[in-house]
Amino acid sequence: GAVVSQHPSRVICKSGTSVKIECRSLDFQATTMFWYRQFPKQSLMLMATSNEGSKATYEQGVEKDKFLINHASLTLSTLTVTSAHPEDSSFYICSARETGSIWGNTIYFGEGSWLTVV
Amino acid sequence: GNSVTQMEGPVTLSEEAFLTINCTYTATGYPSLFWYVQYPGEGLQLLLKATKADDKGSNKGFEATYRKETTSFHLEKGSVQVSDSAVYFCALSLPGDKLTFGGGTRVLVKP
Repeated sequence: GAVVSQHPSRVICKSGTSVKIECRSLDFQATTMFWYRQFPKQSLMLMATSNEGSKATYEQGVEKDKFLINHASLTLSTLTVTSAHPEDSSFYICSARETGSIWGNTIYFGEGSWLTVV
Repeated sequence: GNSVTQMEGPVTLSEEAFLTINCTYTATGYPSLFWYVQYPGEGLQLLLKATKADDKGSNKGFEATYRKETTSFHLEKGSVQVSDSAVYFCALSLPGDKLTFGGGTRVLVKP
């Protein structure tokens, strides 16, 4: 199946700094990528939908200035957590939809990135 | 709006037992249905999918059939292994739209 890669898989950063997480579709083009946050033992919370070449669409309650999303190419989207605080520590997961017929419609997930803010 | 409801866990089973995880959905239109699996500390992996009514998705011994009449997509496996211990998410997506997830079902298989 299609592969989505996230990097880094684990990152520790100091409070007040920014950290960038990359999401790449390795063997397909993805017009649309999604960013999720997952708290321990909970389901995924959609943060934003990222469309190549345009601004991301954020879900209600997600601060767009804090979680910067860039989708500059058909294979890469980045999430930058700015001025990170300990409460931003979480598991962040990206996913990507195969471009082409919308009837294909399969969404593949990255491996996730553990962010710890100290 | 769209929604997915799946049985709450945890589900604890012995090895070689039969596993069923119920999933029902509400959607406008004709969604595609998915089961994703999440192993501890990892991202989600697509387990199987079905794109239209009566389709059966299958993979790694797991099966699920798209039942439009009952709006269900129950996941089954005839004989589970310890390695099947994970969290299973049922999800739906309409064409071009985001995934809508169920709450996830944690499965623990004991030897």
